[in-house]
Amino acid sequence: KAGVTQTPRYLIKTRGQQVTLSCSPISGHRSVSWYQQTPGQGLQFLFEYFSETQRNKGNFPGRFSGRQFSNSRSEMNVSTLELGDSALYLCASSAGTSGVNEQFFGPGTRLTVL
Amino acid sequence: EDKVVQSPLSLVVHEGDTVTLNCSYEVTNFRSLLWYKQEKKAPTFLFMLTSSGIEKKSGRLSSILDKKELFSILNITATQTGDSAIYLCAVAGADSWGKFQFGAGTQVVVTP
Repeated sequence: KAGVTQTPRYLIKTRGQQVTLSCSPISGHRSVSWYQQTPGQGLQFLFEYFSETQRNKGNFPGRFSGRQFSNSRSEMNVSTLELGDSALYLCASSAGTSGVNEQFFGPGTRLTVL
Repeated sequence: EDKVVQSPLSLVVHEGDTVTLNCSYEVTNFRSLLWYKQEKKAPTFLFMLTSSGIEKKSGRLSSILDKKELFSILNITATQTGDSAIYLCAVAGADSWGKFQFGAGTQVVVTP
């Protein structure tokens, strides 16, 4: 089985711009979770999608949004970028049953905001 | 709010040593605890633990969960330089819906 894929792998943006990141889960997995990883805060949960519905959301401002398509691929969008949004954005794929399925991470998208 | 504390934050060992990493947690309606290894890339899944006292084992790595005392241990025996990484622990409750609460991680450095 192919693993989780994320595109692009690296992005450089300037403050005020917006960015869209993409994640394709493992075949058959319907849940996609997004995390932000920074040296200071570690891994922080952004949101989770299952069957095109957002089921859970972390404590991030409304500038962070996402969606999921019928083929389970997911995108997250960050608008009005700030310097503090520089981070590794990871998506994780799982079968979707709450709390009892392993999450497998993609390679991540490294976002740098200048 | 769910909470995960890992200890120690970092350690340096020599090749061949045994390492024991700790993860204590507080979570409502605990369902599972995951261990990951992270090198200079995305976390790689190691184990999922849901039941107390049942050891999960993969090669030189093993892990066990104590749901009464709310902690888990990850052991690495006969360490190798390739075991150098950050080891992350994460927990989920019954209504987590895709959200795992991660600890800060333990940085392990294995010297030749």
